[in-house]
Amino acid sequence: EIVMTQSPATLSASPGETVTLSCRASQSVSRNLAWYQQTPGQAPRLLIYGTSTKGAGVPARFSGSGSGTDFTLTISSLQPEDFAVYFCQHYNAWTPWTFGQGTKVEI
Amino acid sequence: QVQLHESGPGLVKASETLSLTCTVSGGSISDENYYWGWIRQPPGKGLEWIGTAYSVGSTHYNPSLNRRVTVSVDTANNQLSLTLTSVTAGDSGVYYCARHRGAYISGYYNPSYFDHWGQGTLVTVSS
Repeated sequence: EIVMTQSPATLSASPGETVTLSCRASQSVSRNLAWYQQTPGQAPRLLIYGTSTKGAGVPARFSGSGSGTDFTLTISSLQPEDFAVYFCQHYNAWTPWTFGQGTKVEI
Repeated sequence: QVQLHESGPGLVKASETLSLTCTVSGGSISDENYYWGWIRQPPGKGLEWIGTAYSVGSTHYNPSLNRRVTVSVDTANNQLSLTLTSVTAGDSGVYYCARHRGAYISGYYNPSYFDHWGQGTLVTVSS
């Protein structure tokens, strides 16, 4: 099983700031990585797949990068609705599919 | 726009069987571009993939749950189902169904990321 490790666990920021979240895989997943956003009481929402491709309706301030084992999600100019928990997930073939433990972005 | 809606009992007794249904609307569960999966989230914790099924019959399960879980697709009713046997308190949490996008990965067509999710249903296992 591929273990996904996210850091930091909690990130404090202010509206308008740019933040970077990290996700590390225990072995290479190529670029087969997705990011999700979850706000309190809601289901996760797909933000990014294929490391850097935005999902439908995802604002331009969200961007992803990386390959192999190290990935980042960058949120530029934080908006109030961006304060949420973010999860990464690998899908590098059948192994099974696992998620990181999440990074909470708080005000 | 595809929508998914989970339904089932919110309370299950320990050692019994949990059964949930996910009704898909706005799209066909037989669409060969997609698989259909279940993910759960214990209160205040992260996400755990449970299992995934394809309309033409293939299934994939998390090895940690493999012997207790069954996921199946009902194409006639456009529904996905989950059965989890011998539940314990550790099986409590919010259960989500999700559309699991198919993609070619390393030359094979496999499930990849989850592009649409249901709102989730809370399941509590009582002793």
